[in-house]
Amino acid sequence: RKEVEQDPGPFNVPEGATVAFNCTYSNSASQSFFWYRQDCRKEPKLLMSVYSSGNEDGRFTAQLNRASQYISLLIRDSKLSDSATYLCVVNEGNQGGKLIFGQGTELSVKP
Amino acid sequence: ETGVTQTPRHLVMGMTNKKSLKCEQHLGHNAMYWYKQSAKKPLELMFVYSLEERVENNSVPSRFSPECPNSSHLFLHLHTLQPEDSALYLCASSQDTTTGAETQYFGPGTRLLVL
Repeated sequence: RKEVEQDPGPFNVPEGATVAFNCTYSNSASQSFFWYRQDCRKEPKLLMSVYSSGNEDGRFTAQLNRASQYISLLIRDSKLSDSATYLCVVNEGNQGGKLIFGQGTELSVKP
Repeated sequence: ETGVTQTPRHLVMGMTNKKSLKCEQHLGHNAMYWYKQSAKKPLELMFVYSLEERVENNSVPSRFSPECPNSSHLFLHLHTLQPEDSALYLCASSQDTTTGAETQYFGPGTRLLVL
């Protein structure tokens, strides 16, 4: 089983659509969770951290379900500029700073 | 953004060459990382340095040799690489490594092709 597993996509959606990405992780000791965004041929950049109670940042909402070891990212009213690969990232639990990356879900928003 | 810089941005080398990748962070961070990103694969952590001390070596072949002379600079020395080592090599930094909750800031990467 992969340590962090995501739908590979690609997700092709029209502008204005709502799109949801799912992610599961295998290490129940993991404590920190993130969504990173990686544009084509660029480096990953932090989109948002994911908190236990769920959190929202504008059009982006992240949810965490520790019992199911499941993380989600919802993008509302998608824009052309949201086209990118979205990386689900989990820390390795009790070993500090080691982050485990999912393979990413590619999103393409069309006019 | 120039928080984390990497040189060169592109590198083509033969299997018998020796080359080095350089990373510099201007964020005052204490931790630096090397990652490998191959096509259609997740980022793979290679090495972690905290306060210039290597704290993680993720079963990386010895043909990759990291060096961290100070907390702002990180090198990856390459020798006798294989074609399957062709990938994007990303450097990152974070404030520390203690909690796992620190944001990691990535450099633009070095795209390496081994012929």
